Amino acid sequence: QKEVEQNSGPLSVPEGAIASLNCTYSDRGSQSFFWYRQYSGKSPELIMFIYSNGDKEDGRFTAQLNKASQYVSLLIRDSQPSDSATYLCAALFSGGYQKVTFGTGTKLQVIP
Amino acid sequence: DGGITQSPKYLFRKEGQNVTLSCEQNLNHDAMYWYRQDPGQGLRLIYYSQIVNDFQKGDIAEGYSVSREKKESFPLTVTSAQKNPTAFYLCASSTPGSGNTIYFGEGSWLTVV
Repeated sequence: QKEVEQNSGPLSVPEGAIASLNCTYSDRGSQSFFWYRQYSGKSPELIMFIYSNGDKEDGRFTAQLNKASQYVSLLIRDSQPSDSATYLCAALFSGGYQKVTFGTGTKLQVIP
Repeated sequence: DGGITQSPKYLFRKEGQNVTLSCEQNLNHDAMYWYRQDPGQGLRLIYYSQIVNDFQKGDIAEGYSVSREKKESFPLTVTSAQKNPTAFYLCASSTPGSGNTIYFGEGSWLTVV
């Protein structure tokens, strides 16, 4: 069973701080990794994807990938109350068909 | 605007009824998916389709059926065999041209009454 694991949280950070969200995956054949944000009662929206080892930055968000450790993270700088949501990590497994598996999500609370 | 349209947004089902959730996309994406999300839980794959007239079972296909007669459309039928259908249903699509990134519709809430 290919798995993506996340700490369910909640992760609480003060406004303006850096929020660090982590994700591990079981299949070394995973090619690409995605971070989604999901507000309560809404559908997930893509924040960013990463497929190469290292860091990828987009505005206040930085995704980090370490394939040797099978570890993906998302850093949110200058966290805002509007960032309070559940963050889903997903991994694309290849081989036979392209399948994306989602973690159960980490709930982030940004405290004003 | 390009996107994925799900309807209806809210649906109530009586015991023993089949209901169909609509999903239409105008993104010209090849692959389409149906996920189920229970409150406070992650996404679970019901069915997916990579090309027209072909679809595969996901992790929780029992009690559900789909069709893919057109590239743009991937309706999901929740049959009476699905004993606990109350959930949030998400349709999604992807294409290799976008790195197989999955994009979601706004979702449909199904409640059994």
